[in-house]
Amino acid sequence: EVQLVQSGAEVKKPGESLKISCKGSGYSFTSYWIGWVRQMPGKGLEWMGIIYPGDSDTRYSPSFQGQVTISADKSISTAYLQWSSLKASDTAMYYCARPVDTAYGWFDPWGQGTLVTVSS
Amino acid sequence: NFMLTQPHSVSESPGKTVTISCTRSSGSIASNYVQWYQQRPGSAPTTVIYEDNQRPSGVPDRFSGSIDSSSNSASLTISGLKTEDEADYYCQSYDSSNRGVFGGGTKLTVL
Repeated sequence: EVQLVQSGAEVKKPGESLKISCKGSGYSFTSYWIGWVRQMPGKGLEWMGIIYPGDSDTRYSPSFQGQVTISADKSISTAYLQWSSLKASDTAMYYCARPVDTAYGWFDPWGQGTLVTVSS
Repeated sequence: NFMLTQPHSVSESPGKTVTISCTRSSGSIASNYVQWYQQRPGSAPTTVIYEDNQRPSGVPDRFSGSIDSSSNSASLTISGLKTEDEADYYCQSYDSSNRGVFGGGTKLTVL
């Protein structure tokens, strides 16, 4: 079974750094892109960016370029989403998801989500 | 970049048919495939339609998708509505640089 399992909920203070993870299993991790999607409280889905773990080719939405870093460690089949200095506005649920077949494929499966709360 | 515009909410009775629209602001709706995701409260999204009109295995044929170049929009149609269809629905496509774009989402109420 193809699965994406995300790290647990985080509570951080403004200015702190954070790295959340998404571990893939049941498929060849280096052969598929993985994407990240943000959902702020009570709001819609936002496409953040994707990475190809095979060669670390990464593409960001213009809205998130420079705000987050997407990376992957293929040795442990894990993708990451990282912030160097969190803001209160980063409070959201973050989902990882695997585009099927290509970088612009439909997402399947999705991870269970990681809730990030940034509050002083 | 372009935007995908959806109605904020729609409502219909059980057993009826509802259609949710998704209008692309610039560029042709046919230039990149459109997906539709269902999100129930407290859950991760799941795909109900991919590549404009394809259903993943396990999704009932009550769900169908289409695109209309004349209105530059995509549509998700759900027939034989059930209370379990009550959820938020998001359309999604890609730009020419393979960067994704989601619509704002539509809350479907089945009353």
